[in-house]
Order: sequence, then structure tokens, then C-alpha cells
Amino acid sequence: NAGVTQTPKFQVLKTGQSMTLQCAQDMNHEYMSWYRQDPGMGLRLIHYSVGAGITDQGEVPNGYNVSRSTTEDFPLRLLSAAPSQTSVYFCASSYGARDNYGYTFGSGTRLTVV
Amino acid sequence: QKEVEQDPGPLSVPEGAIVSLNCTYSNSAFQYFMWYRQYSRKGPELLMYTYSSGNKEDGRFTAQVDKSSKYISLFIRDSQPSDSATYLCAMSVRLDTGNQFYFGTGTSLTVIP
Repeated sequence: NAGVTQTPKFQVLKTGQSMTLQCAQDMNHEYMSWYRQDPGMGLRLIHYSVGAGITDQGEVPNGYNVSRSTTEDFPLRLLSAAPSQTSVYFCASSYGARDNYGYTFGSGTRLTVV
Repeated sequence: QKEVEQDPGPLSVPEGAIVSLNCTYSNSAFQYFMWYRQYSRKGPELLMYTYSSGNKEDGRFTAQVDKSSKYISLFIRDSQPSDSATYLCAMSVRLDTGNQFYFGTGTSLTVIP
């Protein structure tokens, strides 16, 4: 049981480049989300999905797009990278959108934008 | 005012000490209260969660919720070097679209052998 798998683990981008952070879970979880974690600011929600075909914005969605074509996958796209997007990104999933079973987090993607 | 406030520490204790980690919150609608442990360069992992006020014990860990004071705590008894990590509190409220989670910024704990 792999849980939540994120790729890549590390990435360096130049300003203006685009990229996709991959997230996959094999637990048949309905609810998936993307967070960024910055020193002193904790985890901030970027986008989330309550099921395949349904996505919504979180606290800090600007500059990011998501899609959820399958239950398993929830990629995060950076449209035009900026230094302010340097952060650690975590994908997380949980069993139900309406029942609180807590999150399972991936191991993170460390992104540096230069 | 942030929804969830957590002292970032760092906190350093000798092995065997009792550790107390705390969070306060402002939203009285929060229903579920969680503690996550995050080792360096890893993702957070769910340690404990509780619903409403009261205590919940799991081995050396005790989670305590006081909804009247909007205050939650995590106690670690007989602390071990392997407990050295950052501890995040989290709370959730149920919305029409599902549960909305709010995280504290984390408290860094070091247990010295």
C-alpha cells in the first residue's frame, strides 16, 4: 500500500517556466488537496477536490491549476513560476469529504524558483 | 487574528520529560481536533484526533480539548529522542462542500538523550 505518492521530490524552475506536480493515491480516497508549507505560515490550502471531476479553490489558488479526471490522480500545475512560489508542496487525501478521518499526506515536493 | 494559533517553539527537553504542546483557536464551529507529527523533510502524519471536548489517550500520548476555552493540548509522557519532530495542531469544520481544515504553524520539539 503506497499511500500518497508525489513526484518529483525536488525541482528547480526558472521564473516563467511551467510544470506539473504529480500526486497519486491508491487508497480510493474521495477527498484530495494540495497545500504549500512555508516557514512561519504553516500549511495553506491551494486547491482541493471532493471527487473525480470536482475541484475548488482554497486559500491561495492564484498561479495554480488543478484537475481531477480520476479518483487516484490530482496533479497541480504551475502556470508561470514565480519566486514567491518557492515552497514545499504537499498533496493530501482523506476517505470522505464529509467524514473526518484525517489526512494522509505525501512526502512533499521541494520547489525552488530562481 | 489567525483561526489557529500555535507557539512555534523551539522546545527542547531531556529524555523522559513530560511534554505539553498547545494550540488556541477562535472559531467555535470547529468540531474535530487533530495532532500531526512531521519529521524533518517528511510529510505530516496523523497522530491523534478527537471529537469535541475531553481527553483521548493513546500510549504515551494524550490529546485534550477544552471547547469552552478554545484550547487544545497534546501531552507526551516519557519523551524519547524519536519524538523529536514538529507537531502541528489542526481543526476542522463541516461545510456544505465537505470538511475544511485549519492548521497551526507547528511546534518544533527536540528530545535530548
